[in-house]
Amino acid sequence: SYELTQPPSVSVSPGQTATLTCSGDKLGNKYACWYQQKPGQSPVLVIYEDTKRPSGIPERFSGSNSGNTATLTISGTQAMDEADYYCQAWGGSVVFGGGTKLTVL
Amino acid sequence: QLRLRESGPGLVKPSETLSLTCTVSGGSISSGSYYWGWIRQSPGKGLEWIGSIYYSGNTYYNPSLKSRITTSVDTSKNQFSLKLSSVTVADTALYYCARHRSYSGSDWFDPWGQGTLVTVSS
Repeated sequence: SYELTQPPSVSVSPGQTATLTCSGDKLGNKYACWYQQKPGQSPVLVIYEDTKRPSGIPERFSGSNSGNTATLTISGTQAMDEADYYCQAWGGSVVFGGGTKLTVL
Repeated sequence: QLRLRESGPGLVKPSETLSLTCTVSGGSISSGSYYWGWIRQSPGKGLEWIGSIYYSGNTYYNPSLKSRITTSVDTSKNQFSLKLSSVTVADTALYYCARHRSYSGSDWFDPWGQGTLVTVSS
């Protein structure tokens, strides 16, 4: 079965750029999307089809996908961006990555 | 604004069937172009897709759960439902419903319901 791998944790200082990765076999040949989940809240879609931002998502969130890695980039990271982030793609069925906890400190 | 809300028993006994309903408001479940999906999250764990259904009744499921899943849709009530049979403690999780866009390899869920906690215990 298809698998998506994310680092368990990433730390970033406020105002800096956070780079979150999601790896899977030939992931660049598929569409990837990203969700943000804050404690006690439901996931929120922040990037879909590799690079597109849903309405209401700040411009500091951007995405890319090439080779075996999809990347979520948060520019000028704010304290409110601290959350768990999950990638997702279609790999014969819906597949989620294990999630990355982003700490802003 | 589209909203989804899960409902159902919060406690289910082992070996019994878990039943949940998702009520959609602010839009029609029959509008087309979207599936309607179920995702769960075990306590402190990641997300696991359960399955999705189209308003016409077309379905697709997580292969690892397929033998235990039944989904249905009631367009008159703007609702869709999940039944998971023969539950065990491993099925204890927060269950979410969500609108599911799935076409030409593009696949995403938005928006999500608030989630409902289902505990499997005797």
